[in-house]
Amino acid sequence: KAGVTQTPRYLIKTRGQQVTLSCSPISGHRSVSWYQQTPGQGLQFLFEYFSETQRNKGNFPGRFSGRQFSNSRSEMNVSTLELGDSALYLCASSTGTSQETQYFGPGTRLLVL
Amino acid sequence: GDSVTQMEGPVTLSEEAFLTINCTYTATGYPSLFWYVQYPGEGLQLLLKATKADDKGSNKGFEATYRKETTSFHLEKGSVQVSDSAVYFCALSERGAQKLVFGQGTRLTINP
Repeated sequence: KAGVTQTPRYLIKTRGQQVTLSCSPISGHRSVSWYQQTPGQGLQFLFEYFSETQRNKGNFPGRFSGRQFSNSRSEMNVSTLELGDSALYLCASSTGTSQETQYFGPGTRLLVL
Repeated sequence: GDSVTQMEGPVTLSEEAFLTINCTYTATGYPSLFWYVQYPGEGLQLLLKATKADDKGSNKGFEATYRKETTSFHLEKGSVQVSDSAVYFCALSERGAQKLVFGQGTRLTINP
């Protein structure tokens, strides 16, 4: 079974721009979660989507948004980029049942200049 | 809210040494507990998990036991290898939610 895939793997943007990251979950998985990883703040939960609905949300500003499509693929969007948004963005998928294991993709490394 | 505290790193050991990485948690309910590992330039890989008190998770020689009385989930391995060099994250999953709360990570380096 193919794992979680994320595209693109690397991105360079400038302040004020917006960016869209994509995540394809493991086949059959209906839940997709997004995490931000930075050296200072570590791994932080952004949001989770299940069956095209946002089910859970972390403490991030409204500039961070996401969506999920009917095939369970998910996109994350960050608008008006700030230098502090530079991070590794990780996507994880699971079946969506309570406390089920989440499987992570390789991440998208975003650099904001 | 729920939180996870890990042993401060970095940790440097010689090959075949015994490894312990401490992890304690604070949670209002009965979370599941996980250890994930991250190799350079990669995402997170599940190493092991435990879903209820006294459960022992194990994989690739690593073990961790869910201790409710001490709210701990310490990672152990009897004989480490150079290939175990990576960053290790302890995490909990809140009951009823697909949300992982992570510790700060422990960088492990094994010297030959």
